Amino acid sequence: NAGVTQTPKFQVLKTGQSMTLQCAQDMNHEYMSWYRQDPGMGLRLIHYSVGAGITDQGEVPNGYNVSRSTTEDFPLRLLSAAPSQTSVYFCASSPWGVSYYEQYFGPGTRLTVT
Amino acid sequence: RKEVEQDPGPFNVPEGATVAFNCTYSNSASQSFFWYRQDCRKEPKLLMSVYSSGNEDGRFTAQLNRASQYISLLIRDSKLSDSATYLCVVKAVRDGGSQGNLIFGKGTKLSVKP
Repeated sequence: NAGVTQTPKFQVLKTGQSMTLQCAQDMNHEYMSWYRQDPGMGLRLIHYSVGAGITDQGEVPNGYNVSRSTTEDFPLRLLSAAPSQTSVYFCASSPWGVSYYEQYFGPGTRLTVT
Repeated sequence: RKEVEQDPGPFNVPEGATVAFNCTYSNSASQSFFWYRQDCRKEPKLLMSVYSSGNEDGRFTAQLNRASQYISLLIRDSKLSDSATYLCVVKAVRDGGSQGNLIFGKGTKLSVKP
């Protein structure tokens, strides 16, 4: 199994550009989520989904959109990139509806906005 | 008060040392607790879940004190390969139920020296 895959691994954007970070999982997990990780801030939840067609906002959703048309894919769209969105982005997936579970993370996308 | 707080670190210890990490959480209704490990420039990975009765996995022991809202991780006989950042993670509880998103602490960095 590939687990959770993310593309691209690295990206440089100019302020105002838009782009989509791709995330896919092959474990048939209901729950998928996007985090950003900044130095000194820890992992912060951007958006999450508990199944196809269902998405919700996390702690820091502004400037990002998501959709979940299939169980496998959960892309994150940056609408108009800003330098404050320079960060490492992790996608994660896990089962939903159980008390204890492992959340599986993708390898991350390192994004720089100039 | 932040939802999950950890010792800021860094912890620099010699091989063979015993090291303890502490973590406190603010939501008394939280039901599931974890320690994740994150290597430099890598994604977080589950180290161990933390159960009410405490649990052990080889050199690692996790404890939970619900009354004090406190979680700990003890590493005995530290190895060079234990060098990483250790993240305390608590599952947020929504609407009085048992499901919710994971809340990550900022992490404590451990460096084990020869």
